[in-house]
Amino acid sequence: AQSVSQHNHHVILSEAASLELGCNYSYGGTVNLFWYVQYPGQHLQLLLKYFSGDPLVKGIKGFEAEFIKSKFSFNLRKPSVQWSDTAEYFCAVKPTNFGNEKLTFGTGTRLTIIP
Amino acid sequence: DGGITQSPKYLFRKEGQNVTLSCEQNLNHDAMYWYRQDPGQGLRLIYYSQIVNDFQKGDIAEGYSVSREKKESFPLTVTSAQKNPTAFYLCASTRREGYYGYTFGSGTRLTVV
Repeated sequence: AQSVSQHNHHVILSEAASLELGCNYSYGGTVNLFWYVQYPGQHLQLLLKYFSGDPLVKGIKGFEAEFIKSKFSFNLRKPSVQWSDTAEYFCAVKPTNFGNEKLTFGTGTRLTIIP
Repeated sequence: DGGITQSPKYLFRKEGQNVTLSCEQNLNHDAMYWYRQDPGQGLRLIYYSQIVNDFQKGDIAEGYSVSREKKESFPLTVTSAQKNPTAFYLCASTRREGYYGYTFGSGTRLTVV
């Protein structure tokens, strides 16, 4: 069974600081990877996803993530954060084997940006 | 507009009562999911369904039951056997393989007193 670890539970940064949130997964086969964001009082929204090809994927709002297969990692980055990035961020993994639609989330990282 | 509707937004029940949470989607998605969100524990998968009349247990299925009689609907019943039912429940759906991402509902906050 797959699992996801997000080791940063709460990150506090000042505006314009660079961001990197860690995500590691555990699964014996190939996977699809996702980052979701949950702004206060809002639905979960897809930030970006990796399915295949270029391991560096770009998402909305200036976020990007790099899939490093050898490290089972999919860290989220943003060069310069804004106050509006304050939210909770979730990494998720889904095996690619046909018929397996089980999507597993990490415990989330709460990001607080100080103006 | 297409989307997922979860109702009600807030639900209060007495301990020992079963309660059913509604999830309806008009996106023509094949797969549907129920997650439970608790502070510090992220989203934990309760049940999921890949096609009509079929569903699989997730990681924390004990005390819950589901049905998938229609493609659009995936109701979740929280039974009296669930030891800590007070939580925020999220429903999601996707096309097969999830390539276009998963769409989430706005959630139902269940409080058992």
